[in-house]
Amino acid sequence: RKEVEQDPGPFNVPEGATVAFNCTYSNSASQSFFWYRQDCRKEPKLLMSVYSSGNEDGRFTAQLNRASQYISLLIRDSKLSDSATYLCVVNKGTGGFKTIFGAGTRLFVKA
Amino acid sequence: DTAVSQTPKYLVTQMGNDKSIKCEQNLGHDTMYWYKQDSKKFLKIMFSYNNKELIINETVPNRFSPKSPDKAHLNLHINSLELGDSAVYFCASSQDDGTGLTPEAFFGQGTRLTVV
Repeated sequence: RKEVEQDPGPFNVPEGATVAFNCTYSNSASQSFFWYRQDCRKEPKLLMSVYSSGNEDGRFTAQLNRASQYISLLIRDSKLSDSATYLCVVNKGTGGFKTIFGAGTRLFVKA
Repeated sequence: DTAVSQTPKYLVTQMGNDKSIKCEQNLGHDTMYWYKQDSKKFLKIMFSYNNKELIINETVPNRFSPKSPDKAHLNLHINSLELGDSAVYFCASSQDDGTGLTPEAFFGQGTRLTVV
């Protein structure tokens, strides 16, 4: 089983749609969880951290389910500018210094 | 000011050559990393350094040798380049202190290496 697994997509959605991505991780000791965004030919950038209680940032909502070891990202009212690859990121857990990236989910938002 | 900068941005070279990629961060972070992103866009960690000390080497071939002259710099030297080394190499830094709670990582713009 891969350490971090994501549906690679691509997800093709119209503007204004709601889209959800899921991600599963294998290491139950992991303590830090993130969603990063990577635009074409650019570096990954932090979109949001994911907290146990769930957190929201504008149109973006992230949730963590430790029991099932999965993380989700919900994007409401999709914009053209949301088109990118969304990377699920999990840290190694105790011992640190290692963050593991999922392969990414590609999102295309169409007019 | 760019937080994490790496040079060069593009590198085209022949098989068998030796090349270096430089990385510098001005964020005052203690931890720096090298990642490789292959043609399938999978981003995989290669090395982690904390306070100039190698912490993680993810079974990277010996041809890859990182060097950290100080906390703000982590360079990557590659010997005897092979076709399979073609990829985008990203440098990153964070304030990870190894306790398990990992803060945000900041990435450089990447170096697109093409071996011909």
